Amino acid sequence: DIQMTQSPASLSASLGETVSIECLASEGISNSLAWYQQKSGKSPQLLIYAASRLQDGVPSQFSGSGSGTRYSLKISGMQPEDEADYFCEQSYKFPLTFGSGTKLEIK
Amino acid sequence: EVKLLESGGGLVQSGASLRLSCVASGFTFSDFFMDWVRQAPGKGLEWIAASRNKARDYSAVYSASVNGRFTISRDISQSILYLQMNTLKAEDTATYYCVRAHPCWYFDFWGPGTMVTVSS
Repeated sequence: DIQMTQSPASLSASLGETVSIECLASEGISNSLAWYQQKSGKSPQLLIYAASRLQDGVPSQFSGSGSGTRYSLKISGMQPEDEADYFCEQSYKFPLTFGSGTKLEIK
Repeated sequence: EVKLLESGGGLVQSGASLRLSCVASGFTFSDFFMDWVRQAPGKGLEWIAASRNKARDYSAVYSASVNGRFTISRDISQSILYLQMNTLKAEDTATYYCVRAHPCWYFDFWGPGTMVTVSS
């Protein structure tokens, strides 16, 4: 199975600050990487797919990058509504696997 | 508008069976891959089952943790996705999400989830 190591586990950011979350795959996943946002008590929502493509309706403050085994999600300008858990997912090979998540809070 | 709505969760004893349902609307159900993803209380996400689309004969794939105990299926006429869960264990306690999957296996729509609690 492909292991997805996500970091940091938690993060605190001030309003307007830019933050980054990383996922490291245990093997190359050829940009088959998605990012999800899960607000408290809600189901996850797709933010980014294919490592860097923005899902329809997602604000442009979210961006994804990376290649090979290392990928990152950047949130440019922290807003109150960005407080949530974030997960990466590799869709390169079964079983599909997720990172352990990053809890992003407002400082 | 794409909508997914799960039902069938509840409290059961270890070893019992349960069938989850997911009613889909707003898209052509047979054209899309559909999956189940679960989340144990306070934990991360775990993919457990996938059903490919009509073009791929609705073929199924399972995670090792549920293979042989869970079965994913569809009622195409009613646009319902099912998850038959047998021999439930305490570690199956989770919120179960029905998700629509892109052919590249990322999940673009999620239901609100249904909670399954297995008591030991």
